[in-house]
Amino acid sequence: NAGVTQTPKFQVLKTGQSMTLQCAQDMNHEYMSWYRQDPGMGLRLIHYSVGAGITDQGEVPNGYNVSRSTTEDFPLRLLSAAPSQTSVYFCASSYRITGNGYTFGSGTRLTVV
Amino acid sequence: GQQVMQIPQYQHVQEGEDFTTYCNSSTTLSNIQWYKQRPGGHPVFLIQLVKSGEVKKQKRLTFQFGEAKKNSSLHITATQTTDVGTYFCAGPAGGTSYGKLTFGQGTILTVHP
Repeated sequence: NAGVTQTPKFQVLKTGQSMTLQCAQDMNHEYMSWYRQDPGMGLRLIHYSVGAGITDQGEVPNGYNVSRSTTEDFPLRLLSAAPSQTSVYFCASSYRITGNGYTFGSGTRLTVV
Repeated sequence: GQQVMQIPQYQHVQEGEDFTTYCNSSTTLSNIQWYKQRPGGHPVFLIQLVKSGEVKKQKRLTFQFGEAKKNSSLHITATQTTDVGTYFCAGPAGGTSYGKLTFGQGTILTVHP
């Protein structure tokens, strides 16, 4: 099993550009989430989904869109990149009922110049 | 909204010394999870606590969940250089079980040989 796969691993964008961070899991997990990690601020939830067709906002959703058309995929779209979106982005997934926590992808390091 | 606070933010220890990180939530949690992130890596699930007053051990790591289910701690006995990393606690927001997981800011542990 591949687990949670994130692409790309690194990306540099210019201010105003848009892009999509890809996330796919092959574990049939119902729950998927996107987090951003900035120094000293831990992991902050951007958007999450409890199943295909269902998404909701987390703590810091502004400037990001998500969709969940399938159980496996949960892409994160940056609509118009800003330097404040420079961060490391993690996708994570989990079963709805489990004691095994979230499985994280290896992350995407995004720089907006 | 729910807040999860962790202290200390940084901890430097000599190899062989003990280490403890504390986690406090502004709301009662249905469960609390602990994760470890090695430098340059992604968070990895360590354990979940569910019951009031629960104590679980994993080799040199001891996890506790407070009686009021609003605080938790992770204690490492006789630290080793392999323990280096950031330790996060996380709890579900808004009474959900897993869908919306809020992380603390993390404690960065440095172990000097």
